[in-house]
Amino acid sequence: DTGVSQDPRHKITKRGQNVTFRCDPISEHNRLYWYRQTLGQGPEFLTYFQNEAQLEKSRLLSDRFSAERPKGSFSTLEIQRTEQGDSAMYLCASSLTSSDEQFFGPGTRLTVL
Amino acid sequence: QKEVEQNSGPLSVPEGAIASLNCTYSDRVSQSFFWYRQYSGKSPELIMSIYSNGDKEDGRFTAQLNKASQYVSLLIRDSQPSDSATYLCAVNEDSNYQLIWGAGTKLIIKP
Repeated sequence: DTGVSQDPRHKITKRGQNVTFRCDPISEHNRLYWYRQTLGQGPEFLTYFQNEAQLEKSRLLSDRFSAERPKGSFSTLEIQRTEQGDSAMYLCASSLTSSDEQFFGPGTRLTVL
Repeated sequence: QKEVEQNSGPLSVPEGAIASLNCTYSDRVSQSFFWYRQYSGKSPELIMSIYSNGDKEDGRFTAQLNKASQYVSLLIRDSQPSDSATYLCAVNEDSNYQLIWGAGTKLIIKP
C-alpha cells in the first residue's frame, strides 16, 4: 500500500497524559499537513511541512500541540497534558509541491477520558 | 474571514437519479476547488479537483465551477447506495497551502 499511513488508528488516554501520533506520507510527496476533525465539521488545519521545514504552525490549537518532521519523511504530532476537548479525529495528508491535491491517511481517533 | 458554505442536508436521492451538491465560497481570489467524499468514521477521499470555469467530468461525477458567482457544484449521475456519504467541499488560494473546508453535505441514496 503506497498511500498515507497513520499510527495508531485509535488512542484512548486519560486527561493530563501526553500522546504522540505518527504519519507516513506518500513516498514522493514532500508536503505534509495535519488536521483535526470533530463530528459534523470539516477538517480544521493545524500545521504544514514542506520537506523538514514547518512553514505554518500558528494554527496549532495551543502550545500543548507540537509537530515535527525531522528528516522530511514521516511526521509526529504530540499533544501534551491532554484535555477532554482534544477528543477528535486527527488527520494527516500529503501532496506534491507541484500540486495542491491533498491525500489523506486513515486518521487517528483520540478519546480523552 | 474566508468561508465555505454547504447545506448540511441530509439530501435524499432515489437510486439511479442525479444527486446535486452545492458549495459557495467567500474569497474571490480562490483558485483551486476540491470535492472529497467521507464515509462515516473514515477519512476524506479526494473525488474531483477543478481549477477553471465550466464542467469537468470523471466517470459518474461532474464538477462545475462558476467563479463569477463563487460557487462550485458536484453532480453524481446514476446514484448508487454506495454513494451515500458526506461530501466535503474545499477551496484553496493559488499561493496558499491551506484548504478552507465546508462542513459537508450528507447524501443518502435510497434503494
